[in-house]
Amino acid sequence: DAMVIQNPRYQVTQFGKPVTLSCSQTLNHNVMYWYQQKSSQAPKLLFHYYDKDFNNEADTPDNFQSRRPNTSFCFLDIRSPGLGDAAMYLCATSRGAGGDKNIQYFGAGTRLSVL
Amino acid sequence: AQTVTQSQPEMSVQEAETVTLSCTYDTSESDYYLFWYKQPPSRQMILVIRQEAYKQQNATENRFSVNFQKAAKSFSLKISDSQLGDAAMYFCAYRGYSGGSNYKLTFGKGTLLTVNP
Repeated sequence: DAMVIQNPRYQVTQFGKPVTLSCSQTLNHNVMYWYQQKSSQAPKLLFHYYDKDFNNEADTPDNFQSRRPNTSFCFLDIRSPGLGDAAMYLCATSRGAGGDKNIQYFGAGTRLSVL
Repeated sequence: AQTVTQSQPEMSVQEAETVTLSCTYDTSESDYYLFWYKQPPSRQMILVIRQEAYKQQNATENRFSVNFQKAAKSFSLKISDSQLGDAAMYFCAYRGYSGGSNYKLTFGKGTLLTVNP
């Protein structure tokens, strides 16, 4: 019973062609996160939503955007993918902020290739 | 800024034996949380164990236990009676206790654990 679902699992796009990755959750969690994980590197937080409040990490490139139309869904938009954006993108959710509420639950990830 | 270091890119263990994965971190905060996550091949990352820095007692979850040394900023994971299903990438992660750092998980680069039958 997958609780955080990412589609597609594998995505191939062309250099400069916009691409959207999607994430859905059945946990009814308030917070949704997007992490970027490049090969042999640690996952790195790009941004998160607390309900409708968007929180961008200071070093996230402008090329990356996100939308959260409702509680269940969150999208990662890459406006003009470059070769350096090839990575695994991980979506995660948590109930909230403090204590046990901030245990994060992850999806299986979308592996993005840029040709 | 907080950093998390996993000095062992790969480890291997024989089935039924014990293995310890190392993690060190750097922070100026006094209260925080530490985690070990497991990421099997092509599957989602799942939480293995969690430690609250203000608790002196080491966390345990069945065959998994940690050795938390706050002064040394060390947080190692011990897996006892290793099973084939333990084979995965293991990530150590840090989360702050309050404010903006309360949401962000800072991960190490991971340790790939192989379990040999």
